[in-house]
Amino acid sequence: SQQGEEDPQALSIQEGENATMNCSYKTSINNLQWYRQNSGRGLVHLILIRSNEREKHSGRLRVTLDTSKKSSSLLITASRAADTASYFCATAPGYSTLTFGKGTMLLVSP
Amino acid sequence: DTAVSQTPKYLVTQMGNDKSIKCEQNLGHDTMYWYKQDSKKFLKIMFSYNNKELIINETVPNRFSPKSPDKAHLNLHINSLELGDSAVYFCASSQESALGETQYFGPGTRLLVL
Repeated sequence: SQQGEEDPQALSIQEGENATMNCSYKTSINNLQWYRQNSGRGLVHLILIRSNEREKHSGRLRVTLDTSKKSSSLLITASRAADTASYFCATAPGYSTLTFGKGTMLLVSP
Repeated sequence: DTAVSQTPKYLVTQMGNDKSIKCEQNLGHDTMYWYKQDSKKFLKIMFSYNNKELIINETVPNRFSPKSPDKAHLNLHINSLELGDSAVYFCASSQESALGETQYFGPGTRLLVL
């Protein structure tokens, strides 16, 4: 069964604005990862946050993790048209491979 | 250099046919995966191989048979294709198989069954 659920399903913003998407999951995890998928392409790993971490940064990306609420958020600051893509959270529940959510479709308009 | 490559990129075929999709990774990873992504973008794990051995086999019809000739290759053979098999199939690899390792994805194979 599906472990992660992203919210919102779709998000439309203007260039320069920040984009925030959330992920909720059901069981305890070892880590949580965010991936990006451009249209017609494979998934690309963005960032991994471990269960004992609360926040992590990578360039314009900021990820938070709240294990008590079983949720994570991905913030993209100063968005660009090139950030237009689908964003997936993936969790590793226990000794298992990754389970992906359905993704958030982000549209950044120039 | 393409880290994870798949062939073909597009595959259009008739119901009942048998087809194969090939995957190769040049990252030196021990583990490879096959995923199916449906029209709603839901990505579901199908199989996982670690050093040529099957470690994950989700509830997939036995018309799907993965084959790993060596740890750099994981091919997917599909017998008696059905309309519902139409989807995008992604191959991926990771350094190890445990604890949710970062995965590296191929570009996908878009399968359309008519």
